[in-house]
Amino acid sequence: ELKVEQNPLFLSMQEGKNYTIYCNYSTTSDRLYWYRQDPGKSLESLFVLLSNGAVKQEGRLMASLDTKARLSTLHITAAVHDLSATYFCAVDRNSGGSNYKLTFGKGTLLTVNP
Amino acid sequence: DTGVSQDPRHKITKRGQNVTFRCDPISEHNRLYWYRQTLGQGPEFLTYFQNEAQLEKSRLLSDRFSAERPKGSFSTLEIQRTEQGDSAMYLCASSLGLNNEQFFGPGTRLTVL
Repeated sequence: ELKVEQNPLFLSMQEGKNYTIYCNYSTTSDRLYWYRQDPGKSLESLFVLLSNGAVKQEGRLMASLDTKARLSTLHITAAVHDLSATYFCAVDRNSGGSNYKLTFGKGTLLTVNP
Repeated sequence: DTGVSQDPRHKITKRGQNVTFRCDPISEHNRLYWYRQTLGQGPEFLTYFQNEAQLEKSRLLSDRFSAERPKGSFSTLEIQRTEQGDSAMYLCASSLGLNNEQFFGPGTRLTVL
């Protein structure tokens, strides 16, 4: 059974600081996804990482994937209050491209304080 | 609006009643997914369709749950004889292509009294 673990689960940080959220998964997969969820809202796709060594950046967020270590990171640079949300990573079982369901981590609740 | 839509957005029902939710995916997307999310947890996979074929169902999906996607367009998720444990946000998503980026709808929040 595929398991996805995120840490930390709760992150309180000051504006302007940097931090990294980690996502580990238990079985081979080449596809990893990061989503953002605001309270009471649905999920917004942030990044799709499709191969080992993939790195993507959007604004103050940068995501990377190491498939050999089964690890993805979401790095936050110079945090601002608007980044406060819950961040989820998710993995699908890319066994020949036939299994598309996503397995999600529990999420990291990020609070950015002034 | 060309995103994923879901209806209703909120549903309050009494235990034992049946409920049905609808999802309209992004029009050209051939894969459609249902997930369930409870407070403080990540979404959990329930079932998915490729076109009109239901290809996988989770063990979470008891025989009280049924989903359809007639003609490979919209989908419905029905819960019969609802229980309080069914209270959750039900999310629908759709995708197209090998990168499998899934786009989520706004969800239907179900409360079973």
